[in-house]
Amino acid sequence: AQTVTQSQPEMSVQEAETVTLSCTYDTSESNYYLFWYKQPPSRQMILVIRQEAYKQQNATENRFSVNFQKAAKSFSLKISDSQLGDTAMYFCAFHYAGNNRKLIWGLGTSLAVNP
Amino acid sequence: SAVISQKPSRDICQRGTSLTIQCQVDSQVTMMFWYRQQPGQSLTLIATANQGSEATYESGFVIDKFPISRPNLTFSTLTVSNMSPEDSSIYLCSATSTDTQYFGPGTRLTVL
Repeated sequence: AQTVTQSQPEMSVQEAETVTLSCTYDTSESNYYLFWYKQPPSRQMILVIRQEAYKQQNATENRFSVNFQKAAKSFSLKISDSQLGDTAMYFCAFHYAGNNRKLIWGLGTSLAVNP
Repeated sequence: SAVISQKPSRDICQRGTSLTIQCQVDSQVTMMFWYRQQPGQSLTLIATANQGSEATYESGFVIDKFPISRPNLTFSTLTVSNMSPEDSSIYLCSATSTDTQYFGPGTRLTVL
């Protein structure tokens, strides 16, 4: 079965500190794309970072980076120097390469950044 | 990337009526999707909007209740038909560009 598990329903972090959100997934395929999306209270779903499964190098976007462990099927998100604007629901998701682009979603982690 | 707009951003409707949500993408895209999201929950895929052919619906969603149009590569509509309070939700459209899905701002629907 294709599943995404985010084991931390809620997390909090102090402003300027670092936090890591966990994500594990299950698939028998080898070629896929992984994503972290952020959804603030405005409900706009925003792409944070993406990772191609065939790339060993971990993706980085400014303060956001991932730890991609393909064998362990793990895809955690690290947020450095947390800012108040990072407060949001974070969703981990993946889809396969090829014609099927349907995203498989986790249930989300609600992150609160405290001043 | 793709920039996606949705109309309306929110609406309050009476039960038994229908609402059509529009989704416009700023570039031609091959795949568009429609989702439903309850507050505080993850996204549930309603259907894949196929250009030039009938939409592909997920289990639990039917064309009579959620008819979808996709007349070209930049536009799609979702209609929520014969609404009941259980249809109150956020509806989002998305489009795939360079293997990544981008999302519209969503439509908040309340059915009384």
